Amino acid sequence: QKEVEQNSGPLSVPEGAIASLNCTYSDRVSQSFFWYRQYSGKSPELIMSIYSNGDKEDGRFTAQLNKASQYVSLLIRDSQPSDSATYLCAVNIVDKVIFGPGTSLSVIP
Amino acid sequence: EAGVAQSPRYKIIEKRQSVAFWCNPISGHATLYWYQQILGQGPKLLIQFQNNGVVDDSQLPKDRFSAERLKGVDSTLKIQPAKLEDSAVYLCASSLGDRYTDTQYFGPGTRLTVL
Repeated sequence: QKEVEQNSGPLSVPEGAIASLNCTYSDRVSQSFFWYRQYSGKSPELIMSIYSNGDKEDGRFTAQLNKASQYVSLLIRDSQPSDSATYLCAVNIVDKVIFGPGTSLSVIP
Repeated sequence: EAGVAQSPRYKIIEKRQSVAFWCNPISGHATLYWYQQILGQGPKLLIQFQNNGVVDDSQLPKDRFSAERLKGVDSTLKIQPAKLEDSAVYLCASSLGDRYTDTQYFGPGTRLTVL
């Protein structure tokens, strides 16, 4: 099993819909979880970090963490064309942060 | 506040040649990371420095890759000799400390093409 896995893309949603991005990880003792957004040809930028079970909301973005299921997700409400990008899940495995392969999201106007 | 600086932005070389990349982190950031990102994949950590010491270099191909961070500030990553499979974007990132909760800030990257 790979250390950090993400749902395969590309994911296409219509403008205004909810985009759901999923990530699973292998290490049961992981404590830190990050979602980065990467536009084509650009470098990753942090959207959200989450450390405790449950939901964390920031504007249109909600991160959900379930440590028992080793699962973290990112919901984007009211998706906009400007949200079209690759979303990278990153998880701390032992003492370093491991990135997943990313999920490409396309928001169709 | 200035971000992470990298140069060059693009580099094209032939296989077996050598190449070097430079990174200047955000002022005051103790930890510096070098990642390799192959097209369609997530970033892979090559080496992590805290100040001028190496924290992790387990995925650095040490037969051809080397990195240094003199004086605990800027850093260089070198490839010698380059192979075709080294074609990738090389990202430098920095963070305030070494805790895995720290946010990493990425530079614009260097796109390397090996012919």
